[in-house]
Amino acid sequence: GAGVSQSPSNKVTEKGKDVELRCDPISGHTALYWYRQSLGQGLEFLIYFQGNSAPDKSGLPSDRFSAERTGGSVSTLTIQRTQQEDSAVYLCASSSRTGGGLSYEQYFGPGTRLTVT
Amino acid sequence: AQRVTQPEKLLSVFKGAPVELKCNYSYSGSPELFWYVQYSRQRLQLLLRHISRESIKGFTADLNKGETSFHLKKPFAQEEDSAMYYCALRRSPATGNAGNMLTFGGGTRLMVKP
Repeated sequence: GAGVSQSPSNKVTEKGKDVELRCDPISGHTALYWYRQSLGQGLEFLIYFQGNSAPDKSGLPSDRFSAERTGGSVSTLTIQRTQQEDSAVYLCASSSRTGGGLSYEQYFGPGTRLTVT
Repeated sequence: AQRVTQPEKLLSVFKGAPVELKCNYSYSGSPELFWYVQYSRQRLQLLLRHISRESIKGFTADLNKGETSFHLKKPFAQEEDSAMYYCALRRSPATGNAGNMLTFGGGTRLMVKP
C-alpha cells in the first residue's frame, strides 16, 4: 500500500513568510509524528499526535511552530514568520499503535526540504 | 532527559571489512533502542530494534545496559551498506501519550569502498 506522503517535496520561502507543510499518514495509522532534520543537528522530535488525544508539543522550538491533525488523518505543520534557522528537512512519520508498553514501527515520509532565504 | 550519542560522523571501511557503528545513550529508565538507515535518495527506514534480537542484512546490535551502548555491527561490509545510520531511543514503557517519540543520535555516514 501507499506509504507516508508529504508535500511539497521542496519549499523555498523568504524570511518572514509563513509556510505550511502537509503530511498524509498511512491509512489507519493512529499515531503521527513530526521531526526536523537539520544539517549537523541530526533528527529532532517536534510534535506527536495520537488519536483524539491532546498532542505532545514538547519538541516545538518556538511559538512560531504549530501543527494540527484534522479528522485523525492528514496533518499540517505551520511555521510562521520563518527564519533562516528554520531551514531543514521536515519529516513526518506514522505508526499503527502506541502505548501499553508496546512499540510499533514508525514509517517515515520522504520529507519536505525547507529553505528560508 | 534522554540523550543518544553517535561519536563518529563518518566511518569509512573497505568492502569485506568488519564494521561497527557506535551508539551510546543516557536514560534513567528502561529504554527501547533502534537503528534506522537512510540510503541515498530514499526515506528513513527501520533497520532493527533491540527487542527483536534479529539480524537484518547481516547487521546485529546488542543492548549493553551496563555500558549504555547499542553498537551496530556487521562482520563483512558490502558496498550497498553505504548509507546514513541513526541510532534512536524510545522511552519504555510508553503509557498514554508519554514517551512514544524517538530521540535520535546525530547519525553516522558509513562509506564502504570497493
